[in-house]
Amino acid sequence: SQTIHQWPATLVQPVGSPLSLECTVEGTSNPNLYWYRQAAGRGLQLLFYSVGIGQISSEVPQNLSASRPQDRQFILSSKKLLLSDSGFYLCALRWAAGDTQYFGPGTRLTVL
Amino acid sequence: QKEVEQNSGPLSVPEGAIASLNCTYSDRGSQSFFWYRQYSGKSPELIMSIYSNGDKEDGRFTAQLNKASQYVSLLIRDSQPSDSATYLCAVNRYGGSQGNLIFGKGTKLSVKP
Repeated sequence: SQTIHQWPATLVQPVGSPLSLECTVEGTSNPNLYWYRQAAGRGLQLLFYSVGIGQISSEVPQNLSASRPQDRQFILSSKKLLLSDSGFYLCALRWAAGDTQYFGPGTRLTVL
Repeated sequence: QKEVEQNSGPLSVPEGAIASLNCTYSDRGSQSFFWYRQYSGKSPELIMSIYSNGDKEDGRFTAQLNKASQYVSLLIRDSQPSDSATYLCAVNRYGGSQGNLIFGKGTKLSVKP
């Protein structure tokens, strides 16, 4: 089985501050990794996905960026947060051999 | 525009009844279909996946797929208050290695004791 860790669980940040959210996975090698955002009252929005180390694809242009420095680590960053960045950020993984996505516990971000 | 549509609800059913959740999708090339359950404040958890036309049963849950009509549904038999949650329908966007999913906005289910 696989385990997905997300850190931190909750975060309150002022507008204009930087952001770094971390996702680490256990129990699987070479997974596809995903970052989603779920804003209040809205659906899941795919932000980035990665099929391997250093390989990042962006789904929605915005002030966020992602990096994958290690096979089992996926990081979401921003240099300057906007109010509209508030939401529930979810990391998900997909085994290379399957097509089901599994979600981590999420990080709830509030930008004030 | 590729979309996945769900009624937002809330869908309210009495305890012990059958809850029926529906989802339609626009991409005829979609191959994989998923139902996730999301409790308030928590992350989505996979309930079922379905790939072929027809029914797939797992305990109290039955997923139904009709590719010709482009809909997928989830039936929950003997609904329990613990089933109260938002149910997300997801459809694969591409075949192959990316496995990107498109999610509906979810249907909120409330099971009344």
